[in-house]
Amino acid sequence: DIQMTQSPSAMSASVGDRVTITCRASQGISNYLAWFQQKPGKVPKRLIYASSSLQSGVPSRFSGSGSGTEFTLTISSLQPEDFATYYCLQHNSYPWTFGQGTKVEIK
Amino acid sequence: QVQLVESGGGVVQPGGSLRLSCAASGFTFSSYGMHWVRQAPGKGLEWVAFIRYDGSNKYYADSVKGRFTISRDNSKNTLYLQMNSLRAEDTAVYYCAKDLLGPLGYWGQGTLVTVSS
Repeated sequence: DIQMTQSPSAMSASVGDRVTITCRASQGISNYLAWFQQKPGKVPKRLIYASSSLQSGVPSRFSGSGSGTEFTLTISSLQPEDFATYYCLQHNSYPWTFGQGTKVEIK
Repeated sequence: QVQLVESGGGVVQPGGSLRLSCAASGFTFSSYGMHWVRQAPGKGLEWVAFIRYDGSNKYYADSVKGRFTISRDNSKNTLYLQMNSLRAEDTAVYYCAKDLLGPLGYWGQGTLVTVSS
């Protein structure tokens, strides 16, 4: 099974900050990587698919990059509504696996 | 619009069984593979199972293999998850989800399963 290691597990940031979250796969997954955002009590929402394709309706301050085993999610200028938990997901092979999540909190 | 509505959650004793359902509408259900994903209270997301559009292939997380069975009835536009030999660690909100231009593009609202004596 492919393991996804996400870092950091939590972070504090201020509005306007540039935020970067990393996911590492235990083996190559090409670009079969997606990013999700989840706010407390809400259903997860997909932000990015195919490593770097922005989901329709998602603000352009979100971007994704990477291929193979290293991937990043970047929020260029953190907004109040972006405080949430973020998860990566590999869908290169079954069983699919999520990273453990990154909680982005207000500094 | 796409709608996925889960049902069947509740409280069950360890070792017991439960069947979850996911009623789909707003798209051609019989043309899409479907997933179950779960989230234990205060924990992260865990992918559980997938079934191809015609039921011909099924995949499971190691944690549920041999205990859970995913199935579908395309005539009823409904996805199922039969859960047997339930354990405390299976306590979670269970979501059904559909792929769209990539993985898990649509999610239902989830149904809570609590395994407790």
